[in-house]
Amino acid sequence: EPEVTQTPSHQVTQMGQEVILRCVPISNHLYFYWYRQILGQKVEFLVSFYNNEISEKSEIFDDQFSVERPDGSNFTLKIRSTKLEDSAMYFCASVRNNSPLHFGNGTRLTVT
Amino acid sequence: AQKITQTQPGMFVQEKEAVTLDCTYDTSDPSYGLFWYKQPSSGEMIFLIYQGSYDQQNATEGRYSLNFQKARKSANLVISASQLGDSAMYFCAMREGGVDNDMRFGAGTRLTVKP
Repeated sequence: EPEVTQTPSHQVTQMGQEVILRCVPISNHLYFYWYRQILGQKVEFLVSFYNNEISEKSEIFDDQFSVERPDGSNFTLKIRSTKLEDSAMYFCASVRNNSPLHFGNGTRLTVT
Repeated sequence: AQKITQTQPGMFVQEKEAVTLDCTYDTSDPSYGLFWYKQPSSGEMIFLIYQGSYDQQNATEGRYSLNFQKARKSANLVISASQLGDSAMYFCAMREGGVDNDMRFGAGTRLTVKP
């Protein structure tokens, strides 16, 4: 069964550095999402992406964040200048139509 | 405003018994979908079951069923014949309107199955 794949599984970075989290959604899916989960807390929506543009974004998704689909397969989340509070698990998800989201296994980001 | 509420931070159940995890939601959109996801300690998000707002019957998927009470705006997950592997966090989520809208999650319930 096709999967959403995320790399790396764990990323450690220093405060102020830029990070790029990578995702390969399921190939025939059309809608892409990023969520984050601070350790022990709820899963929070960041952004949705369709037809090469952002469909919706949350209040968390400020100017430090950006998303891109640079080619036909990858979907990336960039954090320009990481802060300690950006430490979290970041999940990518995709869906083809009005069905449940398929989540990747997540990237654990640790900002030191 | 909080749209998805899971009032049980933790639940315990004896192996082989059934357990109900509560979820209430708030929306004025007539079209919405309700989802349950399982998150084991390894961290991945596993889709369990889906209920559409227009569905006439309660959704079922194997040992999982969704007790959908539209008037009460509740979508409780029922797990029958609990297994040790069911120990995990369970999240209720809702998506209003179309697929490009965000899916909002509740705070989750940690289920522990006792042998």
